[in-house]
Amino acid sequence: DTGVSQDPRHKITKRGQNVTFRCDPISEHNRLYWYRQTLGQGPEFLTYFQNEAQLEKSRLLSDRFSAERPKGSFSTLEIQRTEQGDSAMYLCASSLSGGEAFFGQGTRLTVV
Amino acid sequence: GENVEQHPSTLSVQEGDSAVIKCTYSDSASNYFPWYKQELGKRPQLIIDIRSNVGEKKDQRIAVTLNKTAKHFSLHITETQPEDSAVYFCAASPPYTGNQFYFGTGTSLTVIP
Repeated sequence: DTGVSQDPRHKITKRGQNVTFRCDPISEHNRLYWYRQTLGQGPEFLTYFQNEAQLEKSRLLSDRFSAERPKGSFSTLEIQRTEQGDSAMYLCASSLSGGEAFFGQGTRLTVV
Repeated sequence: GENVEQHPSTLSVQEGDSAVIKCTYSDSASNYFPWYKQELGKRPQLIIDIRSNVGEKKDQRIAVTLNKTAKHFSLHITETQPEDSAVYFCAASPPYTGNQFYFGTGTSLTVIP
C-alpha cells in the first residue's frame, strides 16, 4: 500500500496518560499535515510540516501537543496528560507542494 | 484566517435526482478548492478539485463551479446513486499558508433508492 498510513488505528487511554501516534506519508510528498476530526465536524487543522520543518501550528494545538518529523519522512504526534476533550479522530495527510492532499485512515483516540 | 461555510448540513435525494452542496469562503487569496467524500469510518478521499483560474470543472457525474467574485463554490452530483451516500466536505486553501486546507463542516448526503 503506497498511501498514507497511520498507527495505531484505535487507542484507548486513561485520562492523564501520554499517547503518541505515527504517520507515514506517501514517500515523495514533502508536506505533511495533522488534523483533528470530531463527530459531525470537518477536519480541523492542527499543524503542518514542509520536509522536517514545522511551519505552522494551530491555536488548537495546546502545549500538551507536540509533533515532529525528524527526517522529513514519518511524523509523530504526541499528546501529554490526555483529557477527555482530546477524544477525536486524528488524521494525517500528505501532499506535494500545492497538490492534492491524501489522507490516512486516522487514529481514533478515546480518553476514558 | 480563512473561514469556510458549507450548507446544507444534511441532504436527502431520490436515486437519479441531482444533489447540490454549496460553500462560501472568506479569504479572496484562496486559490485551491478540493471536495472530499468521507464514508462512515473511512478516510476523506478527494473526488474533485478546482483552482481559481477555472470557473467550472466536470468529471463524469460530478461537477464543481467556482464564483471568485462572490467567493462561493458548489458541488453538483447528477444521476445520484445509493453509493453516493456519504459526508462531503469542501475546503479552501490560501497559498500563503502552505496550502493548509480549511474545511467546511460537511454535508451528509443520503440517496434514497
